[in-house]
Amino acid sequence: DFQMTQSPSSLSASVGDRVTFTCRTSQSISNYLNWYQQKPGKAPKLLIYSASSLQSGVPSRFSGSGSGTDFTLTISSLQREDFATYYCQQSYRTPYSFGQGTKLEI
Amino acid sequence: QVQLQESGPGLVKPSETLSLTCSVSGYSISNGYYWGWIRQASGKGLEWIAIIYHSGTTYYNPSLKSRVTMSVDTSNNQFSLNVTSVTAADTAVYYCARSRYNYGPFDPWGQGALVTVSS
Repeated sequence: DFQMTQSPSSLSASVGDRVTFTCRTSQSISNYLNWYQQKPGKAPKLLIYSASSLQSGVPSRFSGSGSGTDFTLTISSLQREDFATYYCQQSYRTPYSFGQGTKLEI
Repeated sequence: QVQLQESGPGLVKPSETLSLTCSVSGYSISNGYYWGWIRQASGKGLEWIAIIYHSGTTYYNPSLKSRVTMSVDTSNNQFSLNVTSVTAADTAVYYCARSRYNYGPFDPWGQGALVTVSS
């Protein structure tokens, strides 16, 4: 199985900050990397797919990059509604494993 | 707009079988795409369980494979998950979701169904 490691596990930031999350995989997955946002009591929401493609309806302040084993999700200017937990997921080979998440706090 | 809704018992006894159904609206499963299950224990991360193609081809997480079965019911536009011999470790919120293609992301997701394993 592919191991997914997200860092940091939690992050404190302020409205207007630029933040970057990292996801590292144990083996190369090309660009088969997706990012989700989850708020308490809600289902995850797809933000980025194929490492850098913005899902329709997602604000342009979200962006993704990377290939191979190292990936990043960046929020260019934090808004209050962005405080949530973020998960990466590889869809290169089953089981399509998730990272452990990064909790973004105010 | 595609919508997914999980349904099933909220309480299952240890050693019994957990059965969940995901009803799909706004899209006919028989037209294609992949359909999956993901679970999340309280306060924990997401665990990928399995996916199924509309034809019935399935992919299971090896950590659960011997206990998990997915099936698709195109006539009722729904798909199902069975987990046998459950323990307290299977207590979680179970989500169903769609993937437009193999190797693809999940979108959209159902709202989730809490299943508690307890006597």
